[in-house]
Amino acid sequence: GENVEQHPSTLSVQEGDSAVIKCTYSDSASNYFPWYKQELGKRPQLIIDIRSNVGEKKDQRIAVTLNKTAKHFSLHITETQPEDSAVYFCAARRRKSSGDKLTFGTGTRLAVRP
Amino acid sequence: DTEVTQTPKHLVMGMTNKKSLKCEQHMGHRAMYWYKQKAKKPPELMFVYSYEKLSINESVPSRFSPECPNSSLLNLHLHALQPEDSALYLCASSQGTASSYNSPLHFGNGTRLTVT
Repeated sequence: GENVEQHPSTLSVQEGDSAVIKCTYSDSASNYFPWYKQELGKRPQLIIDIRSNVGEKKDQRIAVTLNKTAKHFSLHITETQPEDSAVYFCAARRRKSSGDKLTFGTGTRLAVRP
Repeated sequence: DTEVTQTPKHLVMGMTNKKSLKCEQHMGHRAMYWYKQKAKKPPELMFVYSYEKLSINESVPSRFSPECPNSSLLNLHLHALQPEDSALYLCASSQGTASSYNSPLHFGNGTRLTVT
């Protein structure tokens, strides 16, 4: 099955700096890669996603890049703010006839220092 | 505010109790999911329902029994749980149709379950 590795496990940045979180996946048939943000005690919320036919996607301060050959994808947050502090999970999904199965990475705890 | 509603928010139950978790969505989604999340860990998939039929069971113990009464509702029946089953149980839904390839998951706020 799919295996998703995520690094780093913790990340501390100064407000205004950029943050980068990296993930690798094992199943070359995976074709959908979402990123979720989970604040303490709350549900995971989708912040951005990318499909395998696209190399990069941006949404304001957030961007995701995908390298299908190397099987890795990254989340980039620019001009970080204290409210960006949360746990971020990457995930990978392969469409199967038995149903969609999303495999999550182990998470990155991001702390933005004011 | 969330488009996937879960009840109850918190549940404490003994090992001999029977309880149920409930999930509801009115987005017309045809795929619904149960995930289990332990502290400081990612969500782990338990079950997937597609068009109200169980399509994936991730080898979950039989003390967890899912049910999908209709396209908007998803239940998780609990019986004879163990203390290690204490976790946040998340329900999610997605469009899940052939034309909505790779649609995102929408999570509910979860039920925090404690087994004593």
